[in-house]
Amino acid sequence: GAVVSQHPSRVICKSGTSVKIECRSLDFQATTMFWYRQFPKQSLMLMATSNEGSKATYEQGVEKDKFLINHASLTLSTLTVTSAHPEDSSFYICSKKNKETQYFGPGTRLLVL
Amino acid sequence: AQKVTQAQTEISVVEKEDVTLDCVYETRDTTYYLFWYKQPPSGELVFLIRRNSFDEQNEISGRYSWNFQKSTSSFNFTITASQVVDSAVYFCALSEEGTNARGNKLVFGAGTILRVKS
Repeated sequence: GAVVSQHPSRVICKSGTSVKIECRSLDFQATTMFWYRQFPKQSLMLMATSNEGSKATYEQGVEKDKFLINHASLTLSTLTVTSAHPEDSSFYICSKKNKETQYFGPGTRLLVL
Repeated sequence: AQKVTQAQTEISVVEKEDVTLDCVYETRDTTYYLFWYKQPPSGELVFLIRRNSFDEQNEISGRYSWNFQKSTSSFNFTITASQVVDSAVYFCALSEEGTNARGNKLVFGAGTILRVKS
């Protein structure tokens, strides 16, 4: 398999502030990691692919200036939700790939007040 | 385009009953992968199984079994003798082969909520 951690597990912030979520690969280096978003009672949607040492690849409809992704090392990718608003409240979950299978972190619940 | 359909929104069973979760997929590719993930109330997605498009053998792992049929584009999941701990949301997913953008994209179904009552 693969081991992925996320921090924080839960965050509450005020509208207009920025929130950074960390995703770490604990067992092996990951040049590519993935960020998903899951709204309550809905499925997971891929937001972006995080590439070590280069720009992230964003899915259609995801604002790259709002969801900043940094993959500065082979074991860490960060997602920063800038100027968060209540509609950004969601469950953010990252993953990495081992062969053809994606393994997921425990997720981060973001609540924007 | 890829698509995964899980028509069952929610299923409730009594403990020890068998239950089958349906998954139907669409893809134009000949090489692809199918997955099942379990999402318990904690939220973390737990990988259960991966199947590639060239392997139609059914698989059994303990109380879990999977039936892959390319002829009907289905990849159904059966839990035998269900237990309360099986209560979770189960997602079926599809990806293409490779490490390119298309190969990296995992397309999920809407999920099926399974409630197992004691």
